[in-house]
Amino acid sequence: GQQLNQSPQSMFIQEGEDVSMNCTSSSIFNTWLWYKQEPGEGPVLLIALYKAGELTSNGRLTAQFGITRKDSFLNISASIPSDVGIYFCAGPSIQGAQKLVFGQGTRLTINP
Amino acid sequence: DVKVTQSSRYLVKRTGEKVFLECVQDMDHENMFWYRQDPGLGLRLIYFSYDVKMKEKGDIPEGYSVSREKKERFSLILESASTNQTSMYLCASSFGRGQPQHFGDGTRLSIL
Repeated sequence: GQQLNQSPQSMFIQEGEDVSMNCTSSSIFNTWLWYKQEPGEGPVLLIALYKAGELTSNGRLTAQFGITRKDSFLNISASIPSDVGIYFCAGPSIQGAQKLVFGQGTRLTINP
Repeated sequence: DVKVTQSSRYLVKRTGEKVFLECVQDMDHENMFWYRQDPGLGLRLIYFSYDVKMKEKGDIPEGYSVSREKKERFSLILESASTNQTSMYLCASSFGRGQPQHFGDGTRLSIL
């Protein structure tokens, strides 16, 4: 079945550093979504990508839809303590596009 | 902004009880979803609904049922709660196929 592999699984960085994470699949996706989940909260949509090669920013966050349609990248510039959380990628399931397939998440920890 | 509201943030119930988790969305979304989230297992889909009175099983429906009598409300029912149903439960909604899902804040359910 479809799987999304996120890398790295966890990151420990210093405040002010830039962050890069990615999401890969053996299947093609037509949409890539990036969510952030803070402790004890539900995931919040950060960025949605709908076109191969698309590069979209949301403040200090930038995400790209890979041209092969099998990967996506999320970058965070100049990290701050409130960036802490788990970042998930997701895409529509081939079993029914109402459903999403989620990656396992990248846990980001920031040392002040 | 989309608002998905889950009725309780924390809930403690006893083994064998019938448990209702309620979710309401205010954006006239067609699709609604129930997930559970456990450490190391990611987000797992329990049930979803693509229209009023319609429901489809997700990946882990055993021990659960759902009800969607009105478009804005989707209920998750644990017919006879068991300790292995202790988890974080997340409700989500989306407008249509391939559209991002928007999540509630979650209900942390403990079954004693």
